[in-house]
Amino acid sequence: QAVLTQPSSLSASPGASASLTCTLRSGISVGSYRIHWYQQKAGRPPQFLLRYKSDSDQQKGSGVPSRFSGSTDASANAGILFISGVQSEDEADYYCMIWHDRSTAIFGGGTKLTVL
Amino acid sequence: QVHLVESGGGVVQPGASLRLSCAASGFSFSSYTMHWVRQAPGKGLEWVAAISHDALYKYSADSVRVRFSISRDNAKKLLYLQMDSLTTDDSGVYYCARGGDYGDFGVFFWGQGTLVTVSS
Repeated sequence: QAVLTQPSSLSASPGASASLTCTLRSGISVGSYRIHWYQQKAGRPPQFLLRYKSDSDQQKGSGVPSRFSGSTDASANAGILFISGVQSEDEADYYCMIWHDRSTAIFGGGTKLTVL
Repeated sequence: QVHLVESGGGVVQPGASLRLSCAASGFSFSSYTMHWVRQAPGKGLEWVAAISHDALYKYSADSVRVRFSISRDNAKKLLYLQMDSLTTDDSGVYYCARGGDYGDFGVFFWGQGTLVTVSS
């Protein structure tokens, strides 16, 4: 079982909201980690969007629009990247990441967001 | 602003070695953790290695641990990745990335990447 699982694809209409999930493997708790989120557009390097552990422990990248926000769902053991008012420019691959066991960075497999 | 420029990529045969470099500017290099992350063609991101700000702590993925070595020169503001015994599975774009300050191993800024192709 992968440490971080992301749905491979998601589609959203312009102006709609989108929730991208990053589910942690059973046995490791989302409450113990800062979940990092990255956006990668075609042919470009990834860009840091934000990281979220709690409302008091979160950080957003410079210049990241306010429509991007983070949260967690403890019942699903998942981190969530929420995009309110999806725009066509948000079409990209999105990756989550955690720093695990104080020694390893682990990325999720990525979600391809299509804006229809 | 943070600027990271990778170099050293190229086309090599299986079993060969390469050393990647990353030149950093726009921030106090010696205060930040650094990472290498790679991406095979059409695939997702794979973390390769990380190093603490003072080079005392080095970490690497299981897939590369005995073959790759991360290092840094704080005086020259350079990050390195020595890659030995390369295989075709090592092909991809290698990104240099800046972490947080001191003990923060998040990944926050990325370079443009350098392409490594391992092929016979």
